[in-house]
Amino acid sequence: DAGITQSPRHKVTETGTPVTLRCHQTENHRYMYWYRQDPGHGLRLIHYSYGVKDTDKGEVSDGYSVSRSKTEDFLLTLESATSSQTSVYFCAIRRESNTEAFFGQGTRLTVV
Amino acid sequence: GQQLNQSPQSMFIQEGEDVSMNCTSSSIFNTWLWYKQDPGEGPVLLIALYKAGELTSNGRLTAQFGITRKDSFLNISASIPSDVGIYFCAGQGGGSQGNLIFGKGTKLSVKP
Repeated sequence: DAGITQSPRHKVTETGTPVTLRCHQTENHRYMYWYRQDPGHGLRLIHYSYGVKDTDKGEVSDGYSVSRSKTEDFLLTLESATSSQTSVYFCAIRRESNTEAFFGQGTRLTVV
Repeated sequence: GQQLNQSPQSMFIQEGEDVSMNCTSSSIFNTWLWYKQDPGEGPVLLIALYKAGELTSNGRLTAQFGITRKDSFLNISASIPSDVGIYFCAGQGGGSQGNLIFGKGTKLSVKP
């Protein structure tokens, strides 16, 4: 157990509404990640953070923004949700000493 | 960018059989990781490989870091029903911040 909590676990929202997903960690790891998982695509990196207020884009960042104001929390925001953002979203943390990433349990987001 | 090709996409095997899956890349990786994902859960780290040629076991699982650093293999011996799930390989190359790149997964089904 890497001490990662994602909330909410499930959400249904309407197209055009803003949505924020939260990832909370209890172990003060520097690196945090947001991935989305879709059938046939595996896990794709949306955004990542390498410290408080330090974030960068991944391969599928369009339509998403992130914020990290505290070490323990990494927020993913969909400013105006679209149906193509229906997916399962995973948060992950990584220890600074190696490349091993540990995942949360995921958030299933449905945009209708 | 760097990509991983994971094969096979899916496998249907009989309980007790051995399983092999692999990942290949056109780029060199410094680290290979293997994860398993159960339905409705986040991926869980099974094995981490850090040196070319390294062979590492975790119970009935054995993984190898290819000599060329462009591939990795995962073997499961004497499969059991709880081996069912999706197996992902992940590689870390020389890119910024040590981010991982994931294969698209191998879905394993085991017939009792």
